[in-house]
Amino acid sequence: AQSVTQLGSHVSVSEGALVLLRCNYSSSVPPYLFWYVQYPNQGLQLLLKYTSAATLVKGINGFEAEFKKSETSFHLTKPSAHMSDAAEYFCVTRKGDKLIFGTGTRLQVFP
Amino acid sequence: DTAVSQTPKYLVTQMGNDKSIKCEQNLGHDTMYWYKQDSKKFLKIMFSYNNKELIINETVPNRFSPKSPDKAHLNLHINSLELGDSAVYFCASSQGAHSSYEQYFGPGTRLTVT
Repeated sequence: AQSVTQLGSHVSVSEGALVLLRCNYSSSVPPYLFWYVQYPNQGLQLLLKYTSAATLVKGINGFEAEFKKSETSFHLTKPSAHMSDAAEYFCVTRKGDKLIFGTGTRLQVFP
Repeated sequence: DTAVSQTPKYLVTQMGNDKSIKCEQNLGHDTMYWYKQDSKKFLKIMFSYNNKELIINETVPNRFSPKSPDKAHLNLHINSLELGDSAVYFCASSQGAHSSYEQYFGPGTRLTVT
């Protein structure tokens, strides 16, 4: 069954440090994978999506994710964290016509 | 211009009451969704409409009834509210029903049942 697992419900980094949010997927077929971000008291916004065209996917706000089939991973990274990156991040896959959300990772950025 | 809007933003009500949440999108999309986010931030789809036709109906109590008067609107009516209905409800829309399409989310409605 298609699902995603996010490792770490909370991640804390200093401003300017590397951001790494981990996501592993389980799928019997090539998956569609997404990262959505939810800023405090707001709705979700698409950061990026993988659709098998390229393994390295670039998104908005300097984020990118790499699809690694051998590791069944789709980790989200950003070279240098900014205070405004503090939010909840969701790794998402699909099952039929439905999006299946991971449990989320809260990113805190310290000055 | 707000792409996906929901009203009200906050809703506090007592058990047993009936309430509605409204959603409107001005993106010209043909598919709209309702999601429920619980206190642990877990997000799950409830319903989806494509061109006013119900296409996804998850295992949701029949106290929840969506209504789509046109492609730009999807309302959620909840009867006999229970404590467990307390959550944030998000409306979303997309151009096309395929789940690969980007979904645009509204700001959410925080429902508190006392």
